[in-house]
Amino acid sequence: GAVVSQHPSRVICKSGTSVKIECRSLDFQATTMFWYRQFPKQSLMLMATSNEGSKATYEQGVEKDKFLINHASLTLSTLTVTSAHPEDSSFYICRATGGTSEAFFGQGTRLTVV
Amino acid sequence: QKEVEQNSGPLSVPEGAIASLNCTYSDRVSQSFFWYRQYSGKSPELIMSIYSNGDKEDGRFTAQLNKASQYVSLLIRDSQPSDSATYLCAVSGGGTGFQKLVFGTGTRLLVSP
Repeated sequence: GAVVSQHPSRVICKSGTSVKIECRSLDFQATTMFWYRQFPKQSLMLMATSNEGSKATYEQGVEKDKFLINHASLTLSTLTVTSAHPEDSSFYICRATGGTSEAFFGQGTRLTVV
Repeated sequence: QKEVEQNSGPLSVPEGAIASLNCTYSDRVSQSFFWYRQYSGKSPELIMSIYSNGDKEDGRFTAQLNKASQYVSLLIRDSQPSDSATYLCAVSGGGTGFQKLVFGTGTRLLVSP
């Protein structure tokens, strides 16, 4: 099946710094990227949806200035957590689709803000 | 906001037994239904998708959908310890396809040897 490569898998950062998470589609063109966040023992919550070349659409309650999403190419989308705080510690997962009937998850990024 | 509800478990079954996982959803216009398996610290992997009422079988897995009752289930036959994971039910609307999904909180399954 198609592969979505997400990096880093784990990151620890200091409070107040920014962290960038990358998702690359390795063998298909990802026209749409979904970004999710999952807190321990909770469900995946959709944060935003981005289409290549367009501004991301954020879900209610998600701060667009804090969670910057770039989807400038059909193979790369990035999520930057700006001015991270301990409450931003979570598991972040991307999910990409090329507009066909399938979508594929990245491996996830465990962010810990200390 | 659409709601997808699952019993958090854990559901404990002995090896070789049938595990039955249930999910209800609130949005009647939902069209596509998915079961994902998620191991601790990993991203979800798709187990089954189902779009029409009835049963759909794939190996040891059977998905059942009842749109009138807004209910979808997953049966795992001959459960193995490697099936121990959290199973997420996901729902989307607006036609078939892997579009915007709403996930349940997941049911943790424990299969004992």
